[in-house]
Amino acid sequence: ETGVTQTPRHLVMGMTNKKSLKCEQHLGHNAMYWYKQSAKKPLELMFVYSLEERVENNSVPSRFSPECPNSSHLFLHLHTLQPEDSALYLCASSPTQRVYNEQFFGPGTRLTVL
Amino acid sequence: QKEVEQNSGPLSVPEGAIASLNCTYSDRGSQSFFWYRQYSGKSPELIMSIYSNGDKEDGRFTAQLNKASQYVSLLIRDSQPSDSATYLCALVGGDKIIFGKGTRLHILP
Repeated sequence: ETGVTQTPRHLVMGMTNKKSLKCEQHLGHNAMYWYKQSAKKPLELMFVYSLEERVENNSVPSRFSPECPNSSHLFLHLHTLQPEDSALYLCASSPTQRVYNEQFFGPGTRLTVL
Repeated sequence: QKEVEQNSGPLSVPEGAIASLNCTYSDRGSQSFFWYRQYSGKSPELIMSIYSNGDKEDGRFTAQLNKASQYVSLLIRDSQPSDSATYLCALVGGDKIIFGKGTRLHILP
């Protein structure tokens, strides 16, 4: 595997389900990010981890819970989501501790909440 | 409220011509600027970064930054059909990164 991978690529879930999105980067980077991309809206930064510590939480509802067990893996745990949470969820990584520099994106998980 | 503005397009450019994409921003403290390309159904891909005023060239792409006027642009020379995509402008100021909504570019064969 190379670059940034995400699983699953597609996910359909009900509002009462609990699911997790997984991201893995094979680039040796130190920072990882979760973004939400909805139609006709700008890319929204959700969470940032630098060296496994959360450095940013952009007022994201608590039904989204991130986890970064090491610098290569990032999870987004989902529970009791709403239909408006349906979107493309993108993971990204960047090569230095200075967050927000050049970012490399994974292919994304297309989430549909019924 | 920090904002990044881009014309949503679509911007139609004949093959072989120069495509010019523009982005304006409101935060004068912005320090780093990026252009990402996103093909339909795919994730964004970094194509250019620029940090100081002036031009930066990489192959057929040139990024231009004017901090006094608060705009950053991307020029694509010798446009190819494969350049048809949405181009996202992003900037970093302080501890925030903000993306624009993107400009859809369509290269006409």
